[in-house]
Amino acid sequence: GDSVTQMEGPVTLSEEAFLTINCTYTATGYPSLFWYVQYPGEGLQLLLKATKADDKGSNKGFEATYRKETTSFHLEKGSVQVSDSAVYFCALRSNYKLTFGKGTLLTVNP
Amino acid sequence: EAQVTQNPRYLITVTGKKLTVTCSQNMNHEYMSWYRQDPGLGLRQIYYSMNVEVTDKGDVPEGYKVSRKEKRNFPLILESPSPNQTSLYFCASSHVAGGHTGELFFGEGSRLTVL
Repeated sequence: GDSVTQMEGPVTLSEEAFLTINCTYTATGYPSLFWYVQYPGEGLQLLLKATKADDKGSNKGFEATYRKETTSFHLEKGSVQVSDSAVYFCALRSNYKLTFGKGTLLTVNP
Repeated sequence: EAQVTQNPRYLITVTGKKLTVTCSQNMNHEYMSWYRQDPGLGLRQIYYSMNVEVTDKGDVPEGYKVSRKEKRNFPLILESPSPNQTSLYFCASSHVAGGHTGELFFGEGSRLTVL
């Protein structure tokens, strides 16, 4: 079946540091890929998505590129802020089913 | 405002006492789904529904029931709750027309504790 593996946290960074959260996937067919973010006490919100190979999703300074050859969708941000502290979930959607990674807790210190 | 609304947000109950967590969306979405979130396990799908009267099991359906009598509502029923169903539950919805590209919209979550 489909699966998503993302780097385990927690990740702790200082403000303005560079962020990478690795995500790889296994799926049949051609899934769409997503990053969702969960702020403390809230539900999940879509951060960005990519629907086909080589697509780059971007939002709020975050980026991720759909790499079919390496089955990866790594999340990056050049300069994180304290307000980026949250749990980040990589996910794939295929045949209407959304499969999540286990989540990575990011803490950004001032 | 487009939203997915879950109730209750917090509930403490005892083993065996039937409960229902309601979910309602106002976006005319065909697809609705329930997930549970547990530490170290991420989100796992319990049940999903492609449209009215169409439901199917997700990855962890044991101990749960659902119904989809109206397009906007998708209640989650725990007939006889047990402590291993203590979890944070999320309802989500999307259009089916988006196919596998569709974004899911999530409710704010319902934290359930079964004693």
